[in-house]
Amino acid sequence: EAGVAQSPRYKIIEKRQSVAFWCNPISGHATLYWYQQILGQGPKLLIQFQNNGVVDDSQLPKDRFSAERLKGVDSTLKIQPAKLEDSAVYLCASSFRGVNYGYTFGSGTRLTVV
Amino acid sequence: AQRVTQPEKLLSVFKGAPVELKCNYSYSGSPELFWYVQYSRQRLQLLLRHISRESIKGFTADLNKGETSFHLKKPFAQEEDSAMYYCALMNAGGTSYGKLTFGQGTILTVHP
Repeated sequence: EAGVAQSPRYKIIEKRQSVAFWCNPISGHATLYWYQQILGQGPKLLIQFQNNGVVDDSQLPKDRFSAERLKGVDSTLKIQPAKLEDSAVYLCASSFRGVNYGYTFGSGTRLTVV
Repeated sequence: AQRVTQPEKLLSVFKGAPVELKCNYSYSGSPELFWYVQYSRQRLQLLLRHISRESIKGFTADLNKGETSFHLKKPFAQEEDSAMYYCALMNAGGTSYGKLTFGQGTILTVHP
């Protein structure tokens, strides 16, 4: 089966600019996650979708981050305006809810804010 | 709040030596635990999950609820095991079912 697709792979922007990341999960996976991985740390959940509804966005900095999952398939994560501390790898993952097999991660988008 | 601790940032062993990557957790319910691995220039991937009691690539991990640990072990390390290893705990219920909390990771280096 095709994996979780993410784009772009790399992005360099200046602080205060905006940026968007795209994720296409595995077909049929109802649950989609966005994680932020800062260098030297483990991934941290930003937002979890079940179909096109938000399940958990408690750790999403809502003053600058937003995410949507239209039609319950693809998802977009946006940062506006970006700060230096947003430099990280943004990982998208999807899972088949109710089946405890862990889940599948995409390759991630490496964001550098200068 | 749930928490996962991997006390070793770096771990170096020689090929053929036993290796143990430590993981401790804090969780009020019944935990579901995983080990993920990230090889150089590859995506994060599932290595094993405690619920299946499986051995993958010679690695095993036993859940010890008394010690709240889920250490990853391999009796004879290979050079290809060199990678970053993450221990992760999954929310087993409620609206955030499926949310993973990761430890900070351990970089394993296996020398020839």
